Amino acid sequence: NAGVTQTPKFQVLKTGQSMTLQCAQDMNHEYMSWYRQDPGMGLRLIHYSVGAGITDQGEVPNGYNVSRSTTEDFPLRLLSAAPSQTSVYFCASSYSFSNQPQHFGDGTRLSIL
Amino acid sequence: EDQVTQSPEALRLQEGESSSLNCSYTVSGLRGLFWYRQDPGKGPEFLFTLYSAGEEKEKERLKATLTKKESFLHITAPKPEDSATYLCAVQASGGSNYKLTFGKGTLLTVNP
Repeated sequence: NAGVTQTPKFQVLKTGQSMTLQCAQDMNHEYMSWYRQDPGMGLRLIHYSVGAGITDQGEVPNGYNVSRSTTEDFPLRLLSAAPSQTSVYFCASSYSFSNQPQHFGDGTRLSIL
Repeated sequence: EDQVTQSPEALRLQEGESSSLNCSYTVSGLRGLFWYRQDPGKGPEFLFTLYSAGEEKEKERLKATLTKKESFLHITAPKPEDSATYLCAVQASGGSNYKLTFGKGTLLTVNP
């Protein structure tokens, strides 16, 4: 039981490049989400999904795209990377979205030059 | 808008010196308040969920309590391995119940 697995752990991109951050969970959780963590700020929700085929925007969705084709996977795509997207990205999952503790991966540290 | 404020931003304790971390929140209706621990380079690790005022949860040297406006994380006789950033988050019962609103965290350092 690996929990929530994020890849890659580190990535450096140039402005304008695109990439996909991978997230996979093996707990059969319906709810998955992406957060970003920046210095001096709390974790902020980017996108979330309440089940396969269903996604919606969080607080800071601009510049990011998601899809959920399976229960296990929830990739986050950066369409055209900008320096403002330099951050640590965390994927989380829970059994449901209602008052259930979320289980987090160990993050992807992304730098945009 | 849901808000979570944690204090202090940083706390340095000697091993064995008990203290408390504070989490003040503003939310239209509270569905749940969550405490997480985050170690450097790692994702947040779930500690407790509190649902209603007066509720308390304990785990080893940690005890979390909840009132209608704030939550406290009490640390009794801390050890160096308790050093971490402690995060508080709330989930609302209203229209924004799909997300957690996080505080900025309290960085706890316990010196031997």
